[in-house]
Parts: sequence; C-alpha cells; structure tokens
Amino acid sequence: GENVEQHPSTLSVQEGDSAVIKCTYSDSASNYFPWYKQELGKRPQLIIDIRSNVGEKKDQRIAVTLNKTAKHFSLHITETQPEDSAVYFCADNNAGNMLTFGGGTRLMVKP
Amino acid sequence: NAGVTQTPKFQVLKTGQSMTLQCAQDMNHEYMSWYRQDPGMGLRLIHYSVGAGITDQGEVPNGYNVSRSTTEDFPLRLLSAAPSQTSVYFCASSYGRGADTQYFGPGTRLTVL
Repeated sequence: GENVEQHPSTLSVQEGDSAVIKCTYSDSASNYFPWYKQELGKRPQLIIDIRSNVGEKKDQRIAVTLNKTAKHFSLHITETQPEDSAVYFCADNNAGNMLTFGGGTRLMVKP
Repeated sequence: NAGVTQTPKFQVLKTGQSMTLQCAQDMNHEYMSWYRQDPGMGLRLIHYSVGAGITDQGEVPNGYNVSRSTTEDFPLRLLSAAPSQTSVYFCASSYGRGADTQYFGPGTRLTVL
C-alpha cells in the first residue's frame, strides 16, 4: 500500500536556526502534499500545502519544496521561534484518494 | 461556523462495551473521515465518506462501523471495545476528496480498560 516516510522523528534546534523535515512518497500519481502542525493536546491544522504543478511554495517563514522525480518533499522553517515547537505531519493524497500521513516529526525549539 | 465538532471529549470503556463517537460539521463538506492517533504515531485512516449514504474503509477499519445518513453527521461506532482501541480519535471534513484542506475536530480521547 501507499507509504509516506517522514524524517527525522524528532528534531531539536536553537531559536533562530532553520529546521528541515523531509518526506518521501511512493505513488507517482499523487498530486497534493500538505503539511499539518499539531500542538500538544490540540487538533492538527494545515500550515502549508503544495500541488504537483509547482516546485516550491513560501508563506512567510515556512516553505515547502517538491521533487517529483525523486518523490520527496520537504518543509523548511526559517528563524525558528519557541511557538514553532509542535509535531509536524506531512501527507500525500495517494493518487487522488484520501490523505495518507507520515509518522510525524516532533520539533523542539530551544530558547 | 462551529467547524467540526466531536463528542465526547473523553471516554473510558471496559473491554467488550460498545459506544458511538459523534462528529458533525456545518461547512457543507461532502468528504468526512475518521482517524486514530496512537501515542508517538501519525494519523491512520479508519473509515471515510464521500457523501451522504456512501462510506468506505480506510487503513485500519476492523472493529469500527460508520454510517452517513446526512451531510452533517458521521458517527463512528465501536462494536466491542478492546484495549488496542485506546487512542485519540479525530474526525475531519473537507470540501474535496484528496486535494483539499482537511479540517479536524478537537478529538476524543478514548481509554479501554
């Protein structure tokens, strides 16, 4: 079945540094790749997404890049702040079907 | 709009008991789904619905039933609770099938003793 592999599972950075989380997918027909942020005890919320017809998308301090040839996409957070501490999930739409999520990355930003 | 709502927020069951987790959305979304989230793990799809009267299985459907009699409601039934079903359950809805923002409910934390 469809797999979305996410790395690393935990990431600790100093405030102000950049953080990068990577995901790989297996179905070449997938065309939608969202990223969700989940704060402790809260629901997941969409922070950014990218579709297969673009290679990069930015929204202030966060960006997502997509390499369709290699079947991987990445989340980049610059100038990290303590409030960026959360669990981040990537997902893909598994060739137009419901979303399949990666295992999550726990990001810790140390002040 | 209230968005996606879930009840109850917390529930403790004994092995073998049955119960229904409620989910409702007021955004007129066609697509609704149920996920479970185990500690330290990602979200796994249990069941989903593409519209009233239509449901389908996800990755981990065993032990759960769903129905979709209205666009707004998508209840999840645990038939005979087992300790392995201890988890946090999230309901989600979206306008489109697989390429639209999923809006999640606040979750139900279920413990099966």
